[in-house]
Parts: sequence; C-alpha cells; structure tokens
Amino acid sequence: DAGVIQSPRHEVTEMGQEVTLRCKPISGHNSLFWYRQTMMRGLELLIYFNNNVPIDDSGMPEDRFSAKMPNASFSTLKIQPSEPRDSAVYFCASSLDRGEQYFGPGTRLTVT
Amino acid sequence: SQQGEEDPQALSIQEGENATMNCSYKTSINNLQWYRQNSGRGLVHLILIRSNEREKHSGRLRVTLDTSKKSSSLLITASRAADTASYFCATATYGNNRLAFGKGNQVVVIP
Repeated sequence: DAGVIQSPRHEVTEMGQEVTLRCKPISGHNSLFWYRQTMMRGLELLIYFNNNVPIDDSGMPEDRFSAKMPNASFSTLKIQPSEPRDSAVYFCASSLDRGEQYFGPGTRLTVT
Repeated sequence: SQQGEEDPQALSIQEGENATMNCSYKTSINNLQWYRQNSGRGLVHLILIRSNEREKHSGRLRVTLDTSKKSSSLLITASRAADTASYFCATATYGNNRLAFGKGNQVVVIP
C-alpha cells in the first residue's frame, strides 16, 4: 500500500479564496482523521470519520471549515473563505479502530 | 477530554546516550502510543502499549506504562543523530477511535 495520500502538498492562496484539501486513506482502514498543526497551537484534531460517518467535528474552528467522506477511499477538507490565520500544515491520518494512526505527508497551506 | 502531556519539552543529548521522555494523562485509557515527527513530515507511529501491559520493547525503544500513576515513559537507547525529531505520546480511550496527542518533545541528538 502507498500509505495515506494527500494532495496538494503545498497550497498558496489569497485570502477569501476557497481551498480544498484531499486525502486517500489506507485501504481497509475504517477511521479517518483531519489534523492541523501550527507552531502556536501544536497538533489539533479537526474532525474524524468512522466508516465514512463524521463522529466528532468539535475541533472544526468555524463554519468556514467543512469535511466530507463520500466513500471509504476519499475525503476532502474545504475552507471557504480562507483567511491568513488558516495557514498551517494539514494532516490526514487513517487507522483501523483504535490502532496506530498512519499519517499522510501533509498539505502546507499558506493564505496571503 | 484527556490529553497526553510530555515532559521534558526539549532534550539535547550526545550521540550514544539514552534519551528518556515522560507522558502523563488524566483518564482511563485503552492504549497509549508514541509517535515521531521529523521536521516537515507527518507523524510516524513508533509503538503501542495496551492498558494491561506494563512494558514493551521495539528495537532501541522501550516503553513503560503505569496506569496507577497515569504515566508512560519512552526510552531511546544508544541514540543516533537520525533520532533527532519531535516525539509525541497519544492516548486512546474506550468508546471512540480518536487519539489525544500531547504537545510533543523536541529531541536533538548531537553527533
């Protein structure tokens, strides 16, 4: 397996633009997690899905953020409209139940 | 919600020395995991220890878990420059599949 795949790896956009981050989890994993990492706040869980269903979205900062998982092999995290304070590295991870999580390489987002 | 918290926050050691990091948490757990993150990369899983286990080894890594004190330690023996990274502990509880990550320990191994 190629591991968790994220795209794009880098995204630079202007304030107010829509940003869509994509993730392909490891085949067979039933849980998918979106994290955000910054120097100030560290690693934050934004939302996680179990069997494609959102279970806990309490970490989603505000209504500008939304996430979907239309099937077991694909998820998106959308920010609309984006703001400079959204600049961070966004990680997707997947796991089988409470086992180890496998992280993708991350998307480094810069909003100017 | 509970959160793993590592102590100390930053550690600088000479190559060949051992590095020890501690982690504390607040509530009952199903398992505790340690992860490593190299600069600019995603986290990599190192080792998982279940709540009914007290010690686990993997190569140069040794993890202990004391559920009565709600704490864990990660020992890296004979450190190498390539061990330079941030190390995170994370706890899994019963009832859901999320992990609660600590703030991370920055370890620098000087060649």
